[in-house]
Amino acid sequence: NAGVMQNPRHLVRRRGQEARLRCSPMKGHSHVYWYRQLPEEGLKFMVYLQKENIIDESGMPKERFSAEFPKEGPSILRIQQVVRGDSAAYFCASSPSGQEGTEAFFGQGTRLTVV
Amino acid sequence: SQKIEQNSEALNIQEGKTATLTCNYTNYSPAYLQWYRQDPGRGPVFLLLIRENEKEKRKERLKVTFDTTLKQSLFHITASQPADSATYLCALDYSGGYQKVTFGTGTKLQVIP
Repeated sequence: NAGVMQNPRHLVRRRGQEARLRCSPMKGHSHVYWYRQLPEEGLKFMVYLQKENIIDESGMPKERFSAEFPKEGPSILRIQQVVRGDSAAYFCASSPSGQEGTEAFFGQGTRLTVV
Repeated sequence: SQKIEQNSEALNIQEGKTATLTCNYTNYSPAYLQWYRQDPGRGPVFLLLIRENEKEKRKERLKVTFDTTLKQSLFHITASQPADSATYLCALDYSGGYQKVTFGTGTKLQVIP
């Protein structure tokens, strides 16, 4: 049973370009979370999705950022018109349910560098 | 807003000793408190979860305590080994419904052979 798969592992984008980060949850998991980790900072919650639904996007910037988790395929975190401040490690986590206290499994992350 | 404090300094400990890491928080207590391990360039790995009505939780060489009066959790690794060297993250779960946690910045542990 493969773990949470994120790709690409490393992504370099020029300012103004779009970044697309993909996350395939563990088999049987229908709950996906995205976190961002800036250098020397803790992981910050961005968004929580279930299949075809955004449940909580309170941690996601209102502009330029969007996330989806379609019925088929991976979850996508999309950043439009990237800026240098978007450079960070983006982690995806999945869980089998949304029940309280449920363990989440993290992927290896995508390290985005904006040049 | 909620503030989580973990030892910002790295913790160096001799192999075989018990490592104790601290997590302090402000404001109200979370429903759950979790501890994760993170190695360089990798994602966090879940270790233990403790509920607000639990005082202590154990798993093999790991022990977590949760004191809602002191607003503190302690994470212990007994008989530490060089392979335990990593950054350990404390995470507070307030959601009561799903995995929306607030992470501390972590404490880097170095176990010296």
